Amino acid sequence: GQQLNQSPQSMFIQEGEDVSMNCTSSSIFNTWLWYKQDPGEGPVLLIALYKAGELTSNGRLTAQFGITRKDSFLNISASIPSDVGIYFCAGQIGGSQGNLIFGKGTKLSVKP
Amino acid sequence: DAGVIQSPRHEVTEMGQEVTLRCKPISGHNSLFWYRQTMMRGLELLIYFNNNVPIDDSGMPEDRFSAKMPNASFSTLKIQPSEPRDSAVYFCASSFSGREETQYFGPGTRLLVL
Repeated sequence: GQQLNQSPQSMFIQEGEDVSMNCTSSSIFNTWLWYKQDPGEGPVLLIALYKAGELTSNGRLTAQFGITRKDSFLNISASIPSDVGIYFCAGQIGGSQGNLIFGKGTKLSVKP
Repeated sequence: DAGVIQSPRHEVTEMGQEVTLRCKPISGHNSLFWYRQTMMRGLELLIYFNNNVPIDDSGMPEDRFSAKMPNASFSTLKIQPSEPRDSAVYFCASSFSGREETQYFGPGTRLLVL
């Protein structure tokens, strides 16, 4: 089946640093999404991308839908301790309705 | 506004017992999803309902798993009999029909089968 390769698996950064993570796939997706999961909670939608090349921001978060439709990245600027958590990318293939394919996640640790 | 509500939050049971997980979607959402999350396999879609009708159950692992949605505000995921390998976090999510890509997740049920 389809798979998303999300990297890096984990990151340890200093507060104030910028962060970048990405997802790639061998399949073309119609939609890319980025979620954050805090410990003991469900994933929370951060950003949704619907068009190839689209660049969307949500506060300090910026995400882009790759031109090839096979990749996406998420940047976090000026990280703060509450950014700690696991970030997941998810992709939707056209015609699959609700069937989202999730990456394995990037675990972010921020040192104050 | 209330988000997706799941119960119980934690469940510990013995192998062979029946387990029932419950979900109340966000009011007005008519698509509902059940996921399982494990360290090894990540987040996997088990089943997806639209307007209370199962649309895609290809992710349901085997006959021991069943899901129902008797009305727009309630769904259950049942495991009978449970096995240790079913231990995982089970999430319910909901969305508006036609916007299934933007799903809102509940807090999850942490299931441990001994």
